[in-house]
Amino acid sequence: NAGVTQTPKFQVLKTGQSMTLQCAQDMNHNSMYWYRQDPGMGLRLIYYSASEGTTDKGEVPNGYNVSRLNKREFSLRLESAAPSQTSVYFCASSEGVWVLTFGAGSRLTVL
Amino acid sequence: RKEVEQDPGPFNVPEGATVAFNCTYSNSASQSFFWYRQDCRKEPKLLMSVYSSGNEDGRFTAQLNRASQYISLLIRDSKLSDSATYLCAVKNQGGKLIFGQGTELSVKP
Repeated sequence: NAGVTQTPKFQVLKTGQSMTLQCAQDMNHNSMYWYRQDPGMGLRLIYYSASEGTTDKGEVPNGYNVSRLNKREFSLRLESAAPSQTSVYFCASSEGVWVLTFGAGSRLTVL
Repeated sequence: RKEVEQDPGPFNVPEGATVAFNCTYSNSASQSFFWYRQDCRKEPKLLMSVYSSGNEDGRFTAQLNRASQYISLLIRDSKLSDSATYLCAVKNQGGKLIFGQGTELSVKP
Protein backbone atom coordinates (compact mmCIF):
# COMPACT_ATOMS: atom_id res chain seq x y z
CA ASN A 1 0.00 0.00 0.00
CA ALA A 2 1.82 3.13 -1.23
CA GLY A 3 -0.36 5.74 0.55
CA VAL A 4 0.36 9.16 -0.94
CA THR A 5 2.93 9.39 -3.72
CA GLN A 6 4.41 12.69 -4.87
CA THR A 7 6.60 13.36 -7.86
CA PRO A 8 9.14 14.69 -8.41
CA LYS A 9 11.05 14.52 -5.12
CA PHE A 10 13.46 17.25 -6.18
CA GLN A 11 13.27 19.93 -8.86
CA VAL A 12 15.30 22.99 -9.78
CA LEU A 13 13.65 25.61 -11.95
CA LYS A 14 14.65 28.95 -13.38
CA THR A 15 12.48 31.99 -12.72
CA GLY A 16 9.58 32.04 -15.15
CA GLN A 17 9.57 28.33 -15.91
CA SER A 18 6.47 26.28 -15.31
CA MET A 19 6.05 22.86 -13.75
CA THR A 20 3.47 20.53 -12.27
CA LEU A 21 3.80 18.60 -9.05
CA GLN A 22 1.91 15.33 -9.19
CA CYS A 23 0.18 13.63 -6.28
CA ALA A 24 -1.70 10.34 -6.16
CA GLN A 25 -3.27 8.43 -3.29
CA ASP A 26 -4.47 4.84 -3.23
CA MET A 27 -6.55 4.98 -0.05
CA ASN A 28 -9.82 6.00 -1.72
CA HIS A 29 -9.83 9.25 0.24
CA ASN A 30 -12.16 12.04 -0.78
CA SER A 31 -10.13 15.01 0.46
CA MET A 32 -6.73 16.05 -0.81
CA TYR A 33 -4.46 18.95 0.11
CA TRP A 34 -1.37 20.79 -1.04
CA TYR A 35 0.83 22.49 1.56
CA ARG A 36 4.12 24.31 1.41
CA GLN A 37 6.61 24.38 4.25
CA ASP A 38 9.18 27.11 4.78
CA PRO A 39 11.52 27.58 7.75
CA GLY A 40 9.71 29.19 10.67
CA MET A 41 6.37 29.20 8.83
CA GLY A 42 5.10 25.71 9.49
CA LEU A 43 2.82 24.13 6.93
CA ARG A 44 0.69 26.55 4.96
CA LEU A 45 -2.28 25.35 2.97
CA ILE A 46 -2.14 26.25 -0.71
CA TYR A 47 -5.24 24.49 -2.07
CA TYR A 48 -7.71 21.96 -0.83
CA SER A 49 -10.05 19.56 -2.61
CA ALA A 50 -12.93 18.20 -0.55
CA SER A 51 -13.93 15.74 -3.26
CA GLU A 52 -13.45 14.95 -6.91
CA GLY A 53 -14.38 17.96 -9.01
CA THR A 54 -14.07 20.56 -6.24
CA THR A 55 -11.16 22.77 -5.22
CA ASP A 56 -10.86 25.62 -2.76
CA LYS A 57 -8.17 28.16 -1.95
CA GLY A 58 -6.15 27.83 1.19
CA GLU A 59 -3.94 30.33 3.00
CA VAL A 60 -1.42 31.00 0.20
CA PRO A 61 -2.96 30.22 -3.23
CA ASN A 62 -1.39 33.03 -5.28
CA GLY A 63 0.91 31.80 -8.03
CA TYR A 64 -0.53 28.28 -8.04
CA ASN A 65 -3.26 26.35 -9.80
CA VAL A 66 -4.59 22.90 -9.03
CA SER A 67 -6.45 20.15 -10.81
CA ARG A 68 -8.36 17.35 -9.15
CA LEU A 69 -8.09 15.01 -12.10
CA ASN A 70 -10.01 12.18 -10.47
CA LYS A 71 -10.45 10.81 -6.98
CA ARG A 72 -6.86 9.56 -6.85
CA GLU A 73 -4.91 12.48 -8.29
CA PHE A 74 -4.45 16.13 -7.29
CA SER A 75 -1.82 18.15 -9.15
CA LEU A 76 -0.28 21.51 -8.33
CA ARG A 77 0.92 23.76 -11.13
CA LEU A 78 3.29 26.70 -11.03
CA GLU A 79 2.70 28.65 -14.22
CA SER A 80 5.61 31.08 -13.85
CA ALA A 81 7.90 30.08 -11.02
CA ALA A 82 9.36 32.74 -8.74
CA PRO A 83 12.19 32.46 -6.18
CA SER A 84 9.57 33.00 -3.43
CA GLN A 85 8.12 29.63 -4.39
CA THR A 86 11.28 27.83 -3.32
CA SER A 87 9.93 25.49 -0.68
CA VAL A 88 9.11 21.96 0.31
CA TYR A 89 5.70 20.94 -0.97
CA PHE A 90 3.60 18.28 0.71
CA CYS A 91 0.52 16.61 -0.67
CA ALA A 92 -1.87 14.93 1.76
CA SER A 93 -5.18 13.10 1.74
CA SER A 94 -7.86 12.33 4.29
CA GLU A 95 -11.31 10.86 4.62
CA GLY A 96 -13.89 12.94 6.47
CA VAL A 97 -12.67 14.05 9.86
CA TRP A 98 -9.93 11.46 9.91
CA VAL A 99 -6.31 12.41 9.97
CA LEU A 100 -4.17 13.39 7.06
CA THR A 101 -1.71 11.08 5.43
CA PHE A 102 1.17 12.96 3.87
CA GLY A 103 3.39 12.24 0.94
CA ALA A 104 7.16 12.34 1.38
CA GLY A 105 7.45 15.88 0.03
CA SER A 106 8.85 17.59 -3.07
CA ARG A 107 11.78 19.99 -2.70
CA LEU A 108 11.57 22.80 -5.22
CA THR A 109 14.27 25.39 -5.81
CA VAL A 110 13.61 28.36 -8.07
CA LEU A 111 16.73 30.22 -9.17
CA ARG B 1 -2.52 36.94 12.26
CA LYS B 2 -2.33 33.25 11.52
CA GLU B 3 -5.41 31.20 12.26
CA VAL B 4 -3.31 28.78 14.33
CA GLU B 5 -0.30 29.94 16.33
CA GLN B 6 2.44 28.17 18.26
CA ASP B 7 5.59 29.19 20.06
CA PRO B 8 8.30 28.11 17.59
CA GLY B 9 10.84 27.41 20.34
CA PRO B 10 13.29 25.81 20.23
CA PHE B 11 12.71 24.04 23.51
CA ASN B 12 15.93 22.51 24.81
CA VAL B 13 15.30 20.12 27.69
CA PRO B 14 17.27 17.38 29.47
CA GLU B 15 16.23 13.76 29.29
CA GLY B 16 13.52 12.98 31.79
CA ALA B 17 12.09 16.48 31.80
CA THR B 18 8.44 17.34 31.36
CA VAL B 19 7.71 19.79 28.58
CA ALA B 20 4.48 21.45 27.50
CA PHE B 21 3.50 23.07 24.24
CA ASN B 22 0.54 25.34 23.67
CA CYS B 23 -1.27 26.25 20.50
CA THR B 24 -3.97 28.88 20.05
CA TYR B 25 -6.56 29.06 17.29
CA SER B 26 -8.71 31.98 16.23
CA ASN B 27 -11.70 30.29 14.57
CA SER B 28 -14.19 29.44 17.29
CA ALA B 29 -16.08 27.14 14.88
CA SER B 30 -13.09 24.82 14.52
CA GLN B 31 -14.13 21.22 14.77
CA SER B 32 -11.18 18.88 15.14
CA PHE B 33 -7.77 19.22 16.68
CA PHE B 34 -4.55 17.29 16.26
CA TRP B 35 -0.89 17.14 17.17
CA TYR B 36 1.56 16.02 14.51
CA ARG B 37 5.21 15.16 14.84
CA GLN B 38 7.73 15.95 12.12
CA ASP B 39 11.26 14.62 12.06
CA CYS B 40 13.95 16.51 10.20
CA ARG B 41 13.40 16.43 6.43
CA LYS B 42 10.46 14.03 6.77
CA GLU B 43 6.73 14.38 6.34
CA PRO B 44 4.50 15.12 9.35
CA LYS B 45 2.88 12.15 11.03
CA LEU B 46 -0.04 12.11 13.41
CA LEU B 47 0.95 12.00 17.05
CA MET B 48 -2.52 12.19 18.52
CA SER B 49 -5.95 13.64 18.07
CA VAL B 50 -7.20 16.01 20.76
CA TYR B 51 -10.59 15.39 22.33
CA SER B 52 -12.69 17.72 24.45
CA SER B 53 -12.25 15.51 27.49
CA GLY B 54 -8.50 15.38 27.06
CA ASN B 55 -6.64 12.25 26.14
CA GLU B 56 -3.48 10.44 27.06
CA ASP B 57 -1.22 8.09 25.16
CA GLY B 58 1.61 6.83 27.29
CA ARG B 59 3.86 9.78 28.13
CA PHE B 60 1.83 12.17 25.97
CA THR B 61 -1.24 14.07 27.14
CA ALA B 62 -3.33 16.37 24.97
CA GLN B 63 -5.88 18.88 26.20
CA LEU B 64 -8.41 21.11 24.50
CA ASN B 65 -9.79 24.31 26.01
CA ARG B 66 -12.59 25.53 23.76
CA ALA B 67 -13.42 28.55 25.91
CA SER B 68 -9.90 29.93 25.62
CA GLN B 69 -9.35 28.44 22.17
CA TYR B 70 -6.15 26.59 22.77
CA ILE B 71 -4.82 23.07 22.73
CA SER B 72 -1.85 21.74 24.62
CA LEU B 73 0.55 18.83 24.50
CA LEU B 74 2.40 17.57 27.56
CA ILE B 75 5.34 15.20 27.22
CA ARG B 76 6.48 13.52 30.42
CA ASP B 77 9.84 11.81 30.99
CA SER B 78 11.32 13.14 27.73
CA LYS B 79 13.44 10.78 25.68
CA LEU B 80 16.17 11.62 23.19
CA SER B 81 13.90 10.15 20.52
CA ASP B 82 11.26 12.79 21.27
CA SER B 83 13.47 15.41 19.56
CA ALA B 84 11.42 16.65 16.63
CA THR B 85 9.12 19.46 15.57
CA TYR B 86 5.59 19.29 16.96
CA LEU B 87 2.83 20.82 14.89
CA CYS B 88 -0.66 21.55 16.06
CA ALA B 89 -3.43 21.40 13.48
CA VAL B 90 -7.01 22.58 13.50
CA LYS B 91 -9.71 21.52 11.09
CA ASN B 92 -12.23 24.28 10.43
CA GLN B 93 -15.85 23.96 9.43
CA GLY B 94 -14.90 24.08 5.75
CA GLY B 95 -12.85 20.93 6.15
CA LYS B 96 -9.48 22.64 5.76
CA LEU B 97 -6.71 21.55 8.11
CA ILE B 98 -4.64 24.55 9.20
CA PHE B 99 -1.29 24.07 10.92
CA GLY B 100 0.64 26.16 13.37
CA GLN B 101 4.24 27.12 12.76
CA GLY B 102 5.54 24.13 14.69
CA THR B 103 7.54 23.95 17.91
CA GLU B 104 11.01 22.49 17.80
CA LEU B 105 11.98 20.23 20.70
CA SER B 106 15.52 19.13 21.40
CA VAL B 107 16.04 16.62 24.21
CA LYS B 108 19.64 16.47 25.45
CA PRO B 109 21.36 13.67 27.37
